[in-house]
Formats: sequence, C-alpha cells, structure tokens
Amino acid sequence: SQQGEEDPQALSIQEGENATMNCSYKTSINNLQWYRQNSGRGLVHLILIRSNEREKHSGRLRVTLDTSKKSSSLLITASRAADTASYFCATGNTGFQKLVFGTGTRLLVSP
Amino acid sequence: GAVVSQHPSWVICKSGTSVKIECRSLDFQATTMFWYRQFPKQSLMLMATSNEGSKATYEQGVEKDKFLINHASLTLSTLTVTSAHPEDSSFYICSARVAGEDNSPLHFGNGTRLTVT
Repeated sequence: SQQGEEDPQALSIQEGENATMNCSYKTSINNLQWYRQNSGRGLVHLILIRSNEREKHSGRLRVTLDTSKKSSSLLITASRAADTASYFCATGNTGFQKLVFGTGTRLLVSP
Repeated sequence: GAVVSQHPSWVICKSGTSVKIECRSLDFQATTMFWYRQFPKQSLMLMATSNEGSKATYEQGVEKDKFLINHASLTLSTLTVTSAHPEDSSFYICSARVAGEDNSPLHFGNGTRLTVT
C-alpha cells in the first residue's frame, strides 16, 4: 500500500496548547497536503506544501516537509476546542491526478 | 467558491436494492472527480477516478460492476451502489479538482452515509 502513516493516531490536549501531528509517506512526491475532517463530514483543505519547500505557515498552522526522510509535520498553535477534528495528510506525485491519504490523527481539544 | 455538493447526505436501503449518490461541483467545472470510501475512524480509500466523458478508472480490488460511476457532465458525477449488501454500508465521499488545475487541492463533498439493512 502506498498509504502514508500518521502519528499519533489520537491526541488529546487542553485549549491553548500546541498540537503536533506527523506524517510519513513512502514514494516520491510533488506535493503534500493536509486536510481536516469534522466527524461525519467531508474534508477541508488546510495547506499545501510543495516538494521544494521546507516550511509553510498559514495562520496558526505550520507545516514542515523533509523529503529526505519522507516525512511532514503539522503544528497547530494555541489550539481551540473548535480544532477538534481528524487531520489527514495526503501526497500527490508528479503529474498526479489522485491523492493518497494517510491514516489520520484524531485531535481532541478540551476547553 | 469551489463548492462540491453531495446528495443524499444519508440513505438507508434494503439489501439487494441499488442506491445512487450524486456529486456536483456548484461553481466550477471538474473534468475529474474522485470517489472515496471511509470506514469508521479510518482513512479515506480511493475507489475510483471519474473522468468526464469517459470510463472511470477503478482502484485495485474495487468492483466496477458493483460501483457504477457516470460522469456525464463537467459538473456532475454519480456513484451507484448496485445490489447493495450490509457490507457496503460505509461513508462515501466525493471530491473534485478545478478543471485545468492538476496540482491544486481537492474540494470535497460532505459525504453520504449509506446503511444497508
């Protein structure tokens, strides 16, 4: 399977704390994307980082990419209860049409 | 912008019946749409890639005669689960990419929860 793996599988933190999720993948990529899924809903795109980029920021989100280790991390700073969701990384190859999703991290942020 | 509407949001059907799920791009054209299946607390598994005006491309292990996909226009793709059985109960999600933007993010529908009794 080309599916990536994420860790931790589940993460429980308090509001205000930072949350870090990691994603590892197996094949060469063109880009890596992070998505968020609220329970029973579709996915919402958060951020895309290209293979020639090492770090990217968007609001309270910070994504890093290490292509030599085939890994990425998503950091959510100053978390809020509304950040409670599942987070998935997804990789796309050069000339890709489809994305391969990781196993996901379920984040619970308690007030 | 870039809204994907998926309908119905949930459906309950009896074993042996067929169910059609629609995926529409409301404010953009999508030459390619993707259909995923998701089991509880698991990741999304790509079932097939739907291409406007041509046959869908199915992933290994997905029965094309069981899961019929039609992409008749640039804004609509349908997935029909034929002769549904309880093991087909799952959360089905479609996604679409804006036509001509091959490296852009996907836009997802809100999913359809199918329960087969």
